[in-house]
Amino acid sequence: EDKVVQSPLSLVVHEGDTVTLNCSYEVTNFRSLLWYKQEKKAPTFLFMLTSSGIEKKSGRLSSILDKKELFSILNITATQTGDSAVYLCAVESGGGADGLTFGKGTHLIIQP
Amino acid sequence: NAGVTQTPKFQVLKTGQSMTLQCAQDMNHEYMSWYRQDPGMGLRLIHYSVGAGITDQGEVPNGYNVSRSTTEDFPLRLLSAAPSQTSVYFCASRAVGGGGTQYFGPGTRLTVL
Repeated sequence: EDKVVQSPLSLVVHEGDTVTLNCSYEVTNFRSLLWYKQEKKAPTFLFMLTSSGIEKKSGRLSSILDKKELFSILNITATQTGDSAVYLCAVESGGGADGLTFGKGTHLIIQP
Repeated sequence: NAGVTQTPKFQVLKTGQSMTLQCAQDMNHEYMSWYRQDPGMGLRLIHYSVGAGITDQGEVPNGYNVSRSTTEDFPLRLLSAAPSQTSVYFCASRAVGGGGTQYFGPGTRLTVL
């Protein structure tokens, strides 16, 4: 059974801090790992990672995948209150159901 | 561009009632999926479809039926609602070759009393 574990489950930091969110996985026939941001509505896509060691970057957000150690991190620098959200990690595998396997998410709260 | 649409946005049912959650996409995506999201549980796959006429079960299929008669539509049917089905339901779609990038609908918040 595919498994995705995110940590921490919740995190409270102050505006301007840098945060690192973790995602580890155990899946058969790994295809890709995705990060989503969810703010009280549908998840919105952030990054898709398929290769180890190649950083994906979008503004203050960046992410990297380690396929040997089976984990990914999502970094957010100079956090803003608008970064407050649940961040979801999901893995696509070829081991069965076509849908994604999601972790439980990290609830990030940025305090002013 | 509508993307993925879901109706209704909110629904309250009594135990034992049946209903259908509607999902439609206008992107000609082959793959469509239904997820439910419960507090502290993340998103869990209920059913999915890889094309018209083809459906399969996900992680939590019991109590739900799906069909895919067209590429655009993928309704989710609750046969006999139970309080355990109180949840937020998301429909998603993606294209073959689109990697894992899924597009999500806005969600349906269902309460079963």
